[in-house]
Amino acid sequence: GESVGLHLPTLSVQEGDNSIINCAYSNSASDYFIWYKQESGKGPQFIIDIRSNMDKRQGQRVTVLLNKTVKHLSLQIAATQPGDSAVYFCAENPGNMLTFGGGTRLMVKP
Amino acid sequence: DAGVTQSPTHLIKTRGQHVTLRCSPISGHKSVSWYQQVLGQGPQFIFQYYEKEERGRGNFPDRFSARQFPNYSSELNVNALLLGDSALYLCASSPYLAGGYEQYFGPGTRLTVT
Repeated sequence: GESVGLHLPTLSVQEGDNSIINCAYSNSASDYFIWYKQESGKGPQFIIDIRSNMDKRQGQRVTVLLNKTVKHLSLQIAATQPGDSAVYFCAENPGNMLTFGGGTRLMVKP
Repeated sequence: DAGVTQSPTHLIKTRGQHVTLRCSPISGHKSVSWYQQVLGQGPQFIFQYYEKEERGRGNFPDRFSARQFPNYSSELNVNALLLGDSALYLCASSPYLAGGYEQYFGPGTRLTVT
């Protein structure tokens, strides 16, 4: 996974707005992708997944889009709430292990 | 239902010591994976175990070892600790070995090496 050290990219949004978090993955053989949310001091929490035979998948307030041509994933969060503030990681699963991206910090302004 | 549990929550060790971290997977899950997460980075894969056998190993030195027990719980052992081993150690469980299944993470063990 890409290492960005302590300087995570940050997305700051207003409460109630929609958020879009982007991720570039590296392995064209990856056929399964997961978005995780990680709050400070906690383990990653599963949000939504998508398989490579799909372009879009929707959950409750979240949508994941997959563009295999350019190896790009995005996570859309509708009506962002203060509780959505966290670091978000995409992970790809080319085999048995997960390979994580560098993460994006989402900050929600009240 | 109980999620993935890990113990201890926090641990402070001195350089050169060894440490054992423990993980209990979600009931019914047979696969356990270990990850190391350094502050500000995404988790890095260390090991995967399935049915008590090692099924995958990441790019970590031989000081790191693990095992899985008949009840599918797992231990991660780290010998000759270095300052750089300070990290959050995460355990994840999954129902099956093959990729393409959700992996659920525990809260982690925060290891500090002084």
